[in-house]
Amino acid sequence: DAGVIQSPRHEVTEMGQEVTLRCKPISGHDYLFWYRQTMMRGLELLIYFNNNVPIDDSGMPEDRFSAKMPNASFSTLKIQPSEPRDSAVYFCASSLQLAGYTDTQYFGPGTRLTVL
Amino acid sequence: GDSVTQMEGPVTLSEEAFLTINCTYTATGYPSLFWYVQYPGEGLQLLLKATKADDKGSNKGFEATYRKETTSFHLEKGSVQVSDSAVYFCALSDGGFQKLVFGTGTRLLVSP
Repeated sequence: DAGVIQSPRHEVTEMGQEVTLRCKPISGHDYLFWYRQTMMRGLELLIYFNNNVPIDDSGMPEDRFSAKMPNASFSTLKIQPSEPRDSAVYFCASSLQLAGYTDTQYFGPGTRLTVL
Repeated sequence: GDSVTQMEGPVTLSEEAFLTINCTYTATGYPSLFWYVQYPGEGLQLLLKATKADDKGSNKGFEATYRKETTSFHLEKGSVQVSDSAVYFCALSDGGFQKLVFGTGTRLLVSP
């Protein structure tokens, strides 16, 4: 399997612009997670989906952030409008639920976002 | 709520030295415990895990034992290599739930 795929790998944009990050989970995985990593706050869970349905979005910082999962093989994280404080590395991860057990989360390579 | 505390870094060692990175946790249930590693410019990779008390996870020469009595999951390796230089994250998942709670990460620097 190709693993979790994220695009773009790097994004540089100007304040106020819309940014869309994309993720393709590992085929057959039924959970998808979006994380943000910064020096100040470390690794934060933003939102996660189960079978394409958002389960917990309590980590989404504010209304400027939205995430969708229209099908089992694709998810987007959108920031509109973007601000300099959104600069971070955004990771997508996926996992497979095994009958009551927590399974391993597999991370993508991340998207490094810079908002000028 | 659940939390994970890791030792502050960076940890600087010479090649072939013994490594310990401390990790303690707080959880209301019976969590599974994980160590993830992040190499420069890459995403996190699972290094090892343990799902119940007294389990030992091991991989690539790294080991960690789930100690319920001390709520700890310390990472050890007998002889580190330069290629082990990375950031190491301890994490827990509170049984049955998919959310991972991560520690702040510990940077390891190994010099030749």
